[in-house]
Amino acid sequence: GAVVSQHPSRVICKSGTSVKIECRSLDFQATTMFWYRQFPKQSLMLMATSNEGSKATYEQGVEKDKFLINHASLTLSTLTVTSAHPEDSSFYICSARNLLQTFTDTQYFGPGTRLTVL
Amino acid sequence: SQQGEEDPQALSIQEGENATMNCSYKTSINNLQWYRQNSGRGLVHLILIRSNEREKHSGRLRVTLDTSKKSSSLLITASRAADTASYFCATDRAGTASKLTFGTGTRLQVTL
Repeated sequence: GAVVSQHPSRVICKSGTSVKIECRSLDFQATTMFWYRQFPKQSLMLMATSNEGSKATYEQGVEKDKFLINHASLTLSTLTVTSAHPEDSSFYICSARNLLQTFTDTQYFGPGTRLTVL
Repeated sequence: SQQGEEDPQALSIQEGENATMNCSYKTSINNLQWYRQNSGRGLVHLILIRSNEREKHSGRLRVTLDTSKKSSSLLITASRAADTASYFCATDRAGTASKLTFGTGTRLQVTL
């Protein structure tokens, strides 16, 4: 149980286009999902916290108009990188907390999406 | 901002040896977690230790936490080639609604 999927796993796009990444909790409901970015050989940096039915909370330095987050249901959050540029190329990872496991602090991570902007 | 720093940055050992990784952090925490990441893949949760715990075991893993020194260590005993991966500590800082802040990571290479 506690599987989180991401789609697509890899995407290559041209500079200036927008890319949508989906994060789904497959066998549990997630009140909160988190989006991270990871540059090569570096650690994960939290970008934003996504709560179902409300606006996402962005970390300092993350442009909310560039990284649009929608959490329309308890099993799906999407991250849209708008007007992507080569510097947005990165590994994007989501995680989710189980609504029914409020007693635990465990987050379940997706497999990540490798974005390359040409 | 980066909460945790890990050392060493890279560690190379032979199969059967023990591997120890250390993590230091800066602020008060609810808990500290260790994750493994294989190259280009997602994260696998290894173990969570709460701020009121000092040591925890899970299989070949042993985690310690010293809140007075704001540090934690992860020991992998009898390492295997399959343990080759990057290991990250992540802190759930007090008052941050379960946001995780990751350390810089240790790249472990276990050779035969």
